[in-house]
Amino acid sequence: GAGVSQSPSNKVTEKGKDVELRCDPISGHTALYWYRQSLGQGLEFLIYFQGNSAPDKSGLPSDRFSAERTGGSVSTLTIQRTQQEDSAVYLCASSLGAGGGFEQYFGPGTRLTVT
Amino acid sequence: GQQVMQIPQYQHVQEGEDFTTYCNSSTTLSNIQWYKQRPGGHPVFLIQLVKSGEVKKQKRLTFQFGEAKKNSSLHITATQTTDVGTYFCGSSNTGKLIFGQGTTLQVKP
Repeated sequence: GAGVSQSPSNKVTEKGKDVELRCDPISGHTALYWYRQSLGQGLEFLIYFQGNSAPDKSGLPSDRFSAERTGGSVSTLTIQRTQQEDSAVYLCASSLGAGGGFEQYFGPGTRLTVT
Repeated sequence: GQQVMQIPQYQHVQEGEDFTTYCNSSTTLSNIQWYKQRPGGHPVFLIQLVKSGEVKKQKRLTFQFGEAKKNSSLHITATQTTDVGTYFCGSSNTGKLIFGQGTTLQVKP
């Protein structure tokens, strides 16, 4: 694949249900990030994976949010017991490394709507 | 924690006018990255600055990193309708990239 892919592109769920969002980073990219973007708002950092290091979860808004990255590649972001305030676009990005010097490549995002 | 403040939040200009967005931090930044997000799209990397006082140009876009490495600016000369979008600055002092709130540019033809 040429770029970062995310699935699904759109997800509508009922309040209280769990959802899983998937991110396929660019092959060979060791760093993977999840961001949340509410309508007309900025990019809210959620979680960051770098190689085999423990992920930086400092941006997760509550314990209903979790993410994992299997085999250093694909990542899933899970939101349990969804709330209406979780409605947003969830963006995944990957980069060759972490920190300075590495541009981030963003996926198209998953638009989550909680009804 | 590290915070990057970006101003203004919104800017409306007439096509042909100049535009500038500013990114400020209370702490010294190791680097600054700039991204552009078109309406309905995802952020796309524009440039990275790492040196004190660095200035880089991309056609009508000029990027600057302050001498103290606490601020940066993006200046667009003679805006065009294709410049419409939200411009984000970000910095990665601690590994993860933290973004400013973005400046949304509207250009009236």
